Amino acid sequence: QKEVEQNSGPLSVPEGAIASLNCTYSDRGSQSFFWYRQYSGKSPELIMSIYSNGDKEDGRFTAQLNKASQYVSLLIRDSQPSDSATYLCAVKSDYKLSFGAGTTVTVRA
Amino acid sequence: EAGVAQSPRYKIIEKRQSVAFWCNPISGHATLYWYQQILGQGPKLLIQFQNNGVVDDSQLPKDRFSAERLKGVDSTLKIQPAKLEDSAVYLCASSLKPGPSSGQYFGPGTRLTVT
Repeated sequence: QKEVEQNSGPLSVPEGAIASLNCTYSDRGSQSFFWYRQYSGKSPELIMSIYSNGDKEDGRFTAQLNKASQYVSLLIRDSQPSDSATYLCAVKSDYKLSFGAGTTVTVRA
Repeated sequence: EAGVAQSPRYKIIEKRQSVAFWCNPISGHATLYWYQQILGQGPKLLIQFQNNGVVDDSQLPKDRFSAERLKGVDSTLKIQPAKLEDSAVYLCASSLKPGPSSGQYFGPGTRLTVT
């Protein structure tokens, strides 16, 4: 069983719509959860972090965490073509950060 | 604030040759990480340093990979001898501290091609 699992996509959404990305993790003791954005040929960029159950909003991004279900999600509202990228879910346990394989998002104009 | 610096950006070598990568973390960041990212996969941690000590190297192929962080700042990652399956992007990241709430910031990476 993979430590962090994501749907690989691609996820195609029209401009202005909401993109919804999901991530599940196996270690129930995980403490911190991160979303990274990675443009093609570039390195990952930290866009969101969440540590407690519930929602956390930052601009057009909302991260949601449910520790009981071992589930974390990212919503991108009012999607723009510049949001087209691969989104990596990362989960920290015992100071080790484990990444999912990423979900590729394409925002079509 | 300057980000994480890495060099070289690209490297092409033949199998069985050796190669070294360099990383300079964000100033003041005590924790430094080396990741390997194969195309289509998420980054995989190779080694984590806290200052100049190793915290985790459980996924480092120690028969061919080595890393050091002298003086707790810069770090080098070496592969000797390289294999075809080592073709990947090698990412260096740093964080202020190793704790659960500290996010990691990545450098631009070194794209290695082994032929």
